[in-house]
Amino acid sequence: KNEVEQSPQNLTAQEGEFITINCSYSVGISALHWLQQHPGGGIVSLFMLSSGKKKHGRLIATINIQEKHSSLHITASHPRDSAVYICAVRAYGGATNKLIFGTGTLLAVQP
Amino acid sequence: DTEVTQTPKHLVMGMTNKKSLKCEQHMGHRAMYWYKQKAKKPPELMFVYSYEKLSINESVPSRFSPECPNSSLLNLHLHALQPEDSALYLCASSRRTSVEETQYFGPGTRLLVL
Repeated sequence: KNEVEQSPQNLTAQEGEFITINCSYSVGISALHWLQQHPGGGIVSLFMLSSGKKKHGRLIATINIQEKHSSLHITASHPRDSAVYICAVRAYGGATNKLIFGTGTLLAVQP
Repeated sequence: DTEVTQTPKHLVMGMTNKKSLKCEQHMGHRAMYWYKQKAKKPPELMFVYSYEKLSINESVPSRFSPECPNSSLLNLHLHALQPEDSALYLCASSRRTSVEETQYFGPGTRLLVL
């Protein structure tokens, strides 16, 4: 079993829909990252969380440390949001800045 | 400037070739990383450099040889690769490794080994 699990693995939505991607982890963490990877490769860091909630534009990320769970929400989704969304955690006490990655959620937003 | 650049974007090489991948950042970051990503899989950490010194080598075969000539540059030298080494190679950087820092990723080099 992976230490970081994401659901769903694949998600298709219509433009304008509210989207939620979930991430559960089984290790103690010091931080959780949400990353976006577009086809072609480049990865963009969206959020880094250690508690609570962060918002950036149409994106909202929340984390519940006690439940070891984080969600990424996209409001008013748009086709340009289509990408792979990856959850990654830094295990508590882990050496240097080593991230444990989830397997990603492939999001397709249709016009 | 919050950009990590990587060259080349694409590389095709034979198993006997020697080639190098280059990564550059001018954000003053002192931690730099190499990741390997196979299709439909998450990135796998290969190497971490901290203050130009190798701090993590994730049991990577010696046919991959990293080099950090200065605080802005990170190279990955490739020699005698195998077809299964074909992948997207991502470079990333962060301010430091010792505290929680956002990693900034480059666009990657897509490598094909024939």
